[in-house]
Order: sequence, then C-alpha cells, then structure tokens
Amino acid sequence: DAKTTQPPSMDCAEGRAANLPCNHSTISGNEYVYWYRQIHSQGPQYIIHGLKNNETNEMASLIITEDRKSSTLILPHATLRDTAVYYCIVRGLYGNKLVFGAGTILRVKS
Amino acid sequence: NAGVTQTPKFQVLKTGQSMTLQCAQDMNHEYMSWYRQDPGMGLRLIHYSVGAGITDQGEVPNGYNVSRSTTEDFPLRLLSAAPSQTSVYFCASSYRVPGANVLTFGAGSRLTVL
Repeated sequence: DAKTTQPPSMDCAEGRAANLPCNHSTISGNEYVYWYRQIHSQGPQYIIHGLKNNETNEMASLIITEDRKSSTLILPHATLRDTAVYYCIVRGLYGNKLVFGAGTILRVKS
Repeated sequence: NAGVTQTPKFQVLKTGQSMTLQCAQDMNHEYMSWYRQDPGMGLRLIHYSVGAGITDQGEVPNGYNVSRSTTEDFPLRLLSAAPSQTSVYFCASSYRVPGANVLTFGAGSRLTVL
C-alpha cells in the first residue's frame, strides 16, 4: 500500500471549515484513500473513502486531485468535538495490512 | 447489534504471565485484526484474519498468537508478557468488499505489564 504524508498538527476555529491535507504521491490505480479519526483514548472511527471522484457524506467531504497524488478531507463546520487525530490511509482493493501513520492532530478552538 | 466488543477493558500483568484479550463481533465480518497503540504513536498491526481458520502476521507479531475458529471471535494471546507489551490494544473488523473495507473498531483494552 502507498505511503502517506500528513502535517503533524493543525488548528481550526470552531464553526469554520477544517481542511486536512494528505500526500500520497506513490498511489497506484486501484488504491483507495481512506480517512479515519481517533478521539482521545477511543477506537478509531471511519470517516470517508474514495477512489478518484470527490465524495461527501454526513461527516465530511473528500477531495482527490486529478492525478490522485494528494487529497483533502474537509469538515465543513468544525466543532470542539472534532478535535482528534486524523489518519489518511491508502489501501488496495483487498488491502489487509492497513497501515496507520502518525496522522494529523486537529485542534478545534473556540 | 453490539459491534466490536473487547474484554477486558483494563488488565495488569506481571512479567512472564500469560493472558488472552478477547474480541467478538456480531456483524458477520470476514476480516478481523488486532492493533496496538503506544503513547504518541499511531496504530501498528499485530495480526489479522480474512476468515475462520485463516490468520496472518502484521507489522509487529512477535510475542503474540492468534486463532480464528469462528467468524465472530478473534482472541489475542500473550504467552509470556513483557513490559514492552504495555500498550492499548484495539480489535477491528470489516466486510471484505473490494474498495469498501471499512473497519469498525472496538473501544480498546489497556494492558500494563509490570
């Protein structure tokens, strides 16, 4: 599975959009981009995933560049409860060895 | 539908003791896995299983054994605990759908080895 690079931390004002970037320049054609988050001491939680098209669900939007070498997770109206570590993961069709990197610590501030 | 259930939530062991961390899921997921998470670090894959009777190693398998006799259960065994195994352990499961391997995680088991 391709390696990902994320900034170690980011701050966001409450109510504003949080844009979390992820680089995955070695991604291959059949690999998907997944995002998970982990709120302090809890198990990670799935947010969203995509292959090449932009995706949106009730939690977030995922924007994948046309060359698929990077993506951005967007939390449209961040709240204090969105403070967490966000993990960007690239995984193949049946990628069994799901590898988590260090992720990005997002701090939402009032 | 309880999701992924891990027991115990907390455990203290002495060096050399053995124990089993239990993981059960009621979603009929084929894929199950165990991760450990150490302070300030991401999750590291220990072992995983793609179905009953099938297991394989992840990134950090040494010191741990697993088995998968049923679809629902995936216990993690520590045969001789060491202080380096002090960690928080997470179990996760998912369907094996191409391009949609969405993991559901348990709440975690915090293990301290003295």
